[in-house]
Amino acid sequence: QSALTQPASVSGSPGQSITISCTGTTSDIGYYDYVSWYQQRPGTAPKLIIYEVTNRPSGISNRFSGSKSGNTASLTISGLQVDDEGDYYCKSYTRSTTYVFGTGTVVTVL
Amino acid sequence: EVQLEESGGDLIQPGGSLRLSCAASGFTFSNYWMHWVRQAPGKGLVWVARIKGDGSIIRYAESVKGRFAISRDNAKSSLFLQMNSLRDEDTAIYYCARASVDGSGTFYDFWGQGTLVTVSS
Repeated sequence: QSALTQPASVSGSPGQSITISCTGTTSDIGYYDYVSWYQQRPGTAPKLIIYEVTNRPSGISNRFSGSKSGNTASLTISGLQVDDEGDYYCKSYTRSTTYVFGTGTVVTVL
Repeated sequence: EVQLEESGGDLIQPGGSLRLSCAASGFTFSNYWMHWVRQAPGKGLVWVARIKGDGSIIRYAESVKGRFAISRDNAKSSLFLQMNSLRDEDTAIYYCARASVDGSGTFYDFWGQGTLVTVSS
């Protein structure tokens, strides 16, 4: 199972919106609405920010939103803040009943 | 308060074996699927294995199948990962993660802080 494809880095100025894509196949993202997104700051464990494509856990800002079209899922961060800097990973359930993570995206606030 | 605490990471020679543990507290451990996820230094997250709450269903990533074994002891609220025939590329921080019981259960609502496994001669 190959990793889902994400851009290596995305940057934006404070207040702007950015979108991170996550491309898979018809056997994972394209088949299930079971995409989740995680934020990881340096030296810490990942943190769930989006689950089942569009849902936010309690306590997660509504500046984070998720969507999906075909084999590609996307995470949008609106009103970008310095605190949003970090690494972001998508994850999908697969038809093999396993899971696959994305390659990861470094978000930088300019 | 939900807590997951991994232990057992060490420096081990290629071909060696190691057993990781994850001590859980603050929730009914047997109700949850548990997973292992690893992250090589400076690299991305990689899913390793998962086990159902009662231990009846287990799945592995192809890269570890036949070498690693996930297990659990619900009486002790503990998750394990037995790693055999270790390779240089198994070097990573190993996280245990709890899969949520909400919705599809396909996402992690809690993670441990990880334990470092270094495979090197």
